[in-house]
Amino acid sequence: DAGVTQSPTHLIKTRGQQVTLRCSPKSGHDTVSWYQQALGQGPQFIFQYYEEEERQRGNFPDRFSGHQFPNYSSELNVNALLLGDSALYLCASSFSRNQPQHFGDGTRLSIL
Amino acid sequence: RKEVEQDPGPFNVPEGATVAFNCTYSNSASQSFFWYRQDCRKEPKLLMSVYSSGNEDGRFTAQLNRASQYISLLIRDSKLSDSATYLCVVNGNQAGTALIFGKGTTLSVSS
Repeated sequence: DAGVTQSPTHLIKTRGQQVTLRCSPKSGHDTVSWYQQALGQGPQFIFQYYEEEERQRGNFPDRFSGHQFPNYSSELNVNALLLGDSALYLCASSFSRNQPQHFGDGTRLSIL
Repeated sequence: RKEVEQDPGPFNVPEGATVAFNCTYSNSASQSFFWYRQDCRKEPKLLMSVYSSGNEDGRFTAQLNRASQYISLLIRDSKLSDSATYLCVVNGNQAGTALIFGKGTTLSVSS
């Protein structure tokens, strides 16, 4: 039974570019949340998707957007990348919105 | 005031020691509480949920004091493999399910 899978593992971009990160939830999970973890900090909530809609959003600008597909997989898009966007991006899935969340390995994004 | 506050440590203890981590949270409407463990450059992994009555899982004991908005984690008989960062986590509010993380407390267990 595969856990939460994320791709790519690592990514290097330059300022101003756009990036798309992908997440497949654990089998049986229908809710996907995205988090950003800067070095030395705890993860910060970006947004949560359930039934293909954004249900909750953290304090992130509109440059951060997402999507959930009918098979529950999800994408995180970031436009106009800034140096400060360099971080580990974590996807977490859960069976319904109130169950414990399980994390993928993350995508390490570096902005040059 | 930060939503979830933890002592960042590091806590350096010998094998076999008992160590306690504390955490406070600011949102009294929070309904769910967890401890996650994160190894260096790895993803957070759920260690245990925290219940009002307190709960134990082997060498780990978690307690919640809603009146004081305080959560604790006790690790008994520390092992080398317990070395990691321990993240205190609460959900944002009654209606939301976003997880709010503390910065984490780093534990280093030495032989």
